[in-house]
Amino acid sequence: DTGVSQDPRHKITKRGQNVTFRCDPISEHNRLYWYRQTLGQGPEFLTYFQNEAQLEKSRLLSDRFSAERPKGSFSTLEIQRTEQGDSAMYLCASSLMIRDSHNEQFFGPGTRLTVL
Amino acid sequence: DQQVKQNSPSLSVQEGRISILNCDYTNSMFDYFLWYKKYPAEGPTFLISISSIKDKNEDGRFTVFLNKSAKHLSLHIVPSQPGDSAVYFCAASDFGNEKLTFGTGTRLTIIP
Repeated sequence: DTGVSQDPRHKITKRGQNVTFRCDPISEHNRLYWYRQTLGQGPEFLTYFQNEAQLEKSRLLSDRFSAERPKGSFSTLEIQRTEQGDSAMYLCASSLMIRDSHNEQFFGPGTRLTVL
Repeated sequence: DQQVKQNSPSLSVQEGRISILNCDYTNSMFDYFLWYKKYPAEGPTFLISISSIKDKNEDGRFTVFLNKSAKHLSLHIVPSQPGDSAVYFCAASDFGNEKLTFGTGTRLTIIP
């Protein structure tokens, strides 16, 4: 399968614990995005990378959230001191950025986080 | 502030008929629009897109229409098939800022 993969698919944790999610994009894609989706809403942008550089972070991304893409390939999203409000589906997407054109983003299956 | 709006939370259509899903946006900087389809427990799947320099884009059974003056776009599916039953999200971005802004989705149910 050459699509975007995410691990784990489900995570249940207790409030106050730290969690880390991984995303493996489509291999030749240079852009990687993180979104969060809560019940009844569309995905909301969190942050994105071009290669290893983090280019933008949403105001939704509090200082408890950190994302990395150390070698420009896979990415990790860490949430420290989880709160019940962090419960959501965390989606990763990737795209191939070509100068002067728009490019569709391809999404992974998501990681569903439940904070008890 | 909901910049992309899908005002119909659900839509039911008879198999074989046309499904029309609507989307409105408020940000005049948006110049690229996409439709995604989502099944439960899966990530969104890209369907079709349109740039603001066009008013129509077609791909098989799917056609997207863009009315820039009304800040409105629609997705037409014809003929509708049972496998089209899913949640459909409209999304938009502006050039140079590729983050997507999504609507809240419309649940389409195709009745056999």
